[in-house]
Formats: sequence, C-alpha cells, structure tokens
Amino acid sequence: QKEVEQDPGPLSVPEGAIVSLNCTYSNSAFQYFMWYRQYSRKGPELLMYTYSSGNKEDGRFTAQVDKSSKYISLFIRDSQPSDSATYLCAMSGVPNNNNDMRFGAGTRLTVKP
Amino acid sequence: EPEVTQTPSHQVTQMGQEVILRCVPISNHLYFYWYRQILGQKVEFLVSFYNNEISEKSEIFDDQFSVERPDGSNFTLKIRSTKLEDSAMYFCASGGQGSGNTIYFGEGSWLTVV
Repeated sequence: QKEVEQDPGPLSVPEGAIVSLNCTYSNSAFQYFMWYRQYSRKGPELLMYTYSSGNKEDGRFTAQVDKSSKYISLFIRDSQPSDSATYLCAMSGVPNNNNDMRFGAGTRLTVKP
Repeated sequence: EPEVTQTPSHQVTQMGQEVILRCVPISNHLYFYWYRQILGQKVEFLVSFYNNEISEKSEIFDDQFSVERPDGSNFTLKIRSTKLEDSAMYFCASGGQGSGNTIYFGEGSWLTVV
C-alpha cells in the first residue's frame, strides 16, 4: 500500500459545481496536512494547511481532516475555470522536517465554462 | 508578496555535463529544500538544508548531487555528470522558523538532458 493515495483523475466539472478532492494515507504519524495547487509547468502553490483533525475554511476552499479514517478532503465551492489545475495533497509528521513529507500523485481538475 | 525565485527556467544539457540550478529563497526563511518532479509523476523530496548543512536527504540524492548556499541569498543544486533520467522539473522550496510544514515553492527549473 502506498503511503499516500490520491486519485489522479482527470476530473472534469462544469463551472459553479462543488468539487471534492480526496487523499487517504496509511501512516498514522502524519499530523500536518497540506493542499497545493499546481498549474501546468509551474511550482506547487500552498492552498491550505491544517494540523490534526478538523475543518478549515478559506474563501471557496474547505479542507477536512479525519485522522481516525486517515482521510483528507479539499472542497471547492462555486468552482471557476481558473481553478483548473492539478491539486496535490501533502502530509508529514514532524514540524520542519520535510524529508518525511509525502505528496499524493495529484488530481488533475478541469472546470469547464 | 515574497516568493522563491529559480533560474534558469529551462535548461537543455548534454548527457555527462554538469548543471547548476539556482534558487533565491524567501529572505527570512531558514529551511531550504530541493524537490524533483519527473514529467507526469509525483513530486519527490531530494534534500533539505538548515543552518548551512544538509539536514536530510533522500535515496535519490546520491553523490551525483550536491547543494550549496554560497552566500546569504542563493541556494544551489549541482548535478554532476547528468544522465537522461535526470530530466525533470526541479523545485526549490523554503520554509520559515515556526511555520510548521508550510513550505513555499519556486516556479521550477525544467532540466532536459539529451
């Protein structure tokens, strides 16, 4: 089993739809959970950062962490064509010790006008 | 907004040549990283650097690779004797003290080995 599993998609939705992106993981030591957005041939851009379980909301984006199920989600409300990108989940267990940060494969999202 | 900058954005090199990729991290950050992403594949950790020395490195980061912080602003990745399989996007990232695991990536340097 891979440490971090993320469906690579592609996922295509109409503009205005609610998008749900998910990752599962196997390492119970992970405590820090991140979502990055990556446009084609660009660097990953940090979108959301959460610690431990719970929800975090930032504008149209909501990140959820369920440590008991080892499952994290990113919801995008009122999706826009500009949200079309690859979304990477990332997680780690130790502060400032990024050698243990693991990335998902990334889900490619297309929002159609 | 502060950002991590990388140069060159794209480099084509012949197999066996040496390449230096340059990065200017965010100015008050103390933790520096190099990641690699082969086309269509995952982002992979290469090395982390703190307090002027390597703090961690992955199995990918063998003797072919080295990093240096030659002055107060630049952070470089040197790849000696490049191979075809070194073709990838190389991302520099930096993180600040107390920022947990929030790291910020540069735009990447696309390396093509021919």
